[in-house]
Amino acid sequence: EDQVTQSPEALRLQEGESSSLNCSYTVSGLRGLFWYRQDPGKGPEFLFTLYSAGEEKEKERLKATLTKKESFLHITAPKPEDSATYLCAVNPSGQNFVFGPGTRLSVLP
Amino acid sequence: GAGVSQSPRYKVAKRGQDVALRCDPISGHVSLFWYQQALGQGPEFLTYFQNEAQLDKSGLPSDRFFAERPEGSVSTLKIQRTQQEDSAVYLCASSLAHGGNTEAFFGQGTRLTVV
Repeated sequence: EDQVTQSPEALRLQEGESSSLNCSYTVSGLRGLFWYRQDPGKGPEFLFTLYSAGEEKEKERLKATLTKKESFLHITAPKPEDSATYLCAVNPSGQNFVFGPGTRLSVLP
Repeated sequence: GAGVSQSPRYKVAKRGQDVALRCDPISGHVSLFWYQQALGQGPEFLTYFQNEAQLDKSGLPSDRFFAERPEGSVSTLKIQRTQQEDSAVYLCASSLAHGGNTEAFFGQGTRLTVV
């Protein structure tokens, strides 16, 4: 069964304190690992797609990396506006994004 | 429009009432997904359309849930005889291609509360 888990469940950081979020997956065939950001009361906002082990992508203070079994979202020198829930997902069948439960990130000023 | 649009944003239904939720995907997007999201959890898959064809409805929780996309564009998720456990945010997403290797773009969601 295709499965995605994320850790930690919640993370509190001080502004400027770098950290990483983990996404572990078990899938029959990886067609992409997707990271989304979700703010309260809004739909998920697309951040990155990673396709193969060793791939990295960056956007502002965020960098996503991928191995054969997990992905990391590194947050460098976060700001309060980075506070959100970060979701990862896979779509092994092409018809169904399987999401993890998310990591709730709070960045305190 | 530029993004995926869902309406209404909020819906309060009395138990037993039927509801219809609308999704306008990004123009030209082939794939359309419906998800259900409970508070504090990740989205859970409901159903998938490729153009007008409903290729996967394995996530629909009961036969009270029905979705359609008759012309391959706008989609409607209908819930009959709503129950309290149906209370959740319903998210619609669309992506340009079929195949799973293209990202999906989500709407703002419809928050359904059944009282």
